Amino acid sequence: QSVLTQPPSVSAAPGQKVTISCSGSSSNIGNNYVSWYQQLPGTAPKLLIYDNNKRPSGIPDRFSGSKSGTSATLGITGLQTGDEADYYCGTWDNSLSAGVFGGGTKLTVL
Amino acid sequence: QLQLQESGPGLVKPSETLSLTCTVSGGSISSSDYYWGWIRQPPGEGLEWIGSSSYSGSTYYNPSLKSRVTITLDTSKNQFSLNLNSVTAADTAVYYCARHIRYQLLHDIFDIWGQGTMFIVSS
Repeated sequence: QSVLTQPPSVSAAPGQKVTISCSGSSSNIGNNYVSWYQQLPGTAPKLLIYDNNKRPSGIPDRFSGSKSGTSATLGITGLQTGDEADYYCGTWDNSLSAGVFGGGTKLTVL
Repeated sequence: QLQLQESGPGLVKPSETLSLTCTVSGGSISSSDYYWGWIRQPPGEGLEWIGSSSYSGSTYYNPSLKSRVTITLDTSKNQFSLNLNSVTAADTAVYYCARHIRYQLLHDIFDIWGQGTMFIVSS
């Protein structure tokens, strides 16, 4: 049971847009910044978004992040088959004094 | 650029101790700007943060693992290590090391990851 809640799966057609939600509480998302990670099949996770909405160098602007209250959202536009991956949100939980991740969302590009 | 590489035995018996090392190249672990962390992923499951430690001596552990975990830094070798004792089958997972940026107690970012190493607990 993850501290952060994500939908298990989402899907959309190539070229379309998809959003992935991440729900938490005041002890985590509500008072800390959120990161998003992309894990392509058989590979290590890769930082996609940090500080709620910032992209590391090399990440295309098709990927975006936002936060409102105790929830965060990852948006991906212009979907490509290469975007098929598992996506995880992550942040710090002040009550646990621990890093926490969502359970992950599997994106399928139909 | 900074690279991380995990190493260690792939198989350990139940009740024994898991010991993994992460070798850092292209940068120094002797910086108080960063923490150095471990994250694991059981087969077919999600990510679980294990703990992070910094050169300054500050260390955080996952409360669910705290009694069994130790993370140490070896600046002479530019490595950091994970020890997890009294392992069971539930500790079978891919173990990743990562650089953990933590500042202002608000920002926690795992920005660079190792490729991961599979660790199996079996008799």
